[in-house]
Amino acid sequence: DAGVIQSPRHEVTEMGQEVTLRCKPISGHDYLFWYRQTMMRGLELLIYFNNNVPIDDSGMPEDRFSAKMPNASFSTLKIQPSEPRDSAVYFCASSFLVGGNQPQHFGDGTRLSIL
Amino acid sequence: DQQVKQNSPSLSVQEGRISILNCDYTNSMFDYFLWYKKYPAEGPTFLISISSIKDKNEDGRFTVFLNKSAKHLSLHIVPSQPGDSAVYFCAASAMTNFNKFYFGSGTKLNVKP
Repeated sequence: DAGVIQSPRHEVTEMGQEVTLRCKPISGHDYLFWYRQTMMRGLELLIYFNNNVPIDDSGMPEDRFSAKMPNASFSTLKIQPSEPRDSAVYFCASSFLVGGNQPQHFGDGTRLSIL
Repeated sequence: DQQVKQNSPSLSVQEGRISILNCDYTNSMFDYFLWYKKYPAEGPTFLISISSIKDKNEDGRFTVFLNKSAKHLSLHIVPSQPGDSAVYFCAASAMTNFNKFYFGSGTKLNVKP
């Protein structure tokens, strides 16, 4: 059974360009999370959705970042305009809620480099 | 201000010996804790969890200990195997927002054959 699928795996682009990262959660999961991993700050939660609705976006660094979930099987994280300090690995994760806490299942990430 | 801290960026252990990875947290509202394991170029994978009503949870070679008074948890791997070499993240959440996990910065474990 397929896990969380992220695309692209790698993205290299120049400063100022728009970047779109994509995620397909595990079928049946009703929570979707976007994380950013950097050397300095480790894994940070950017935003999460429940049933396609954004619940907590307090981790989104600034207005240049936006995330959408138009349906249960697809989400995007967009950076416009991109800056070199956005370079990081971005992970998408999904989970479902059955009787309490559940671990999140992560995709393999998108390594983003902004030149 | 990281609420979950892993103060050892790396750990090296001989195969067959015990690996002990440590994690400290500052938020007394945290009541659910997890450990994730991450190989290079892959996403983190769930390893083991513990809720605050327990002080120990065991799964095969992996045991997590929770000391609530010290706000400290640790992961013990016995015996360590070369395949355990990976980055280990601890994470915590609070019942008030149980889907919001706070992660530590990770500890890179190297198990030498």
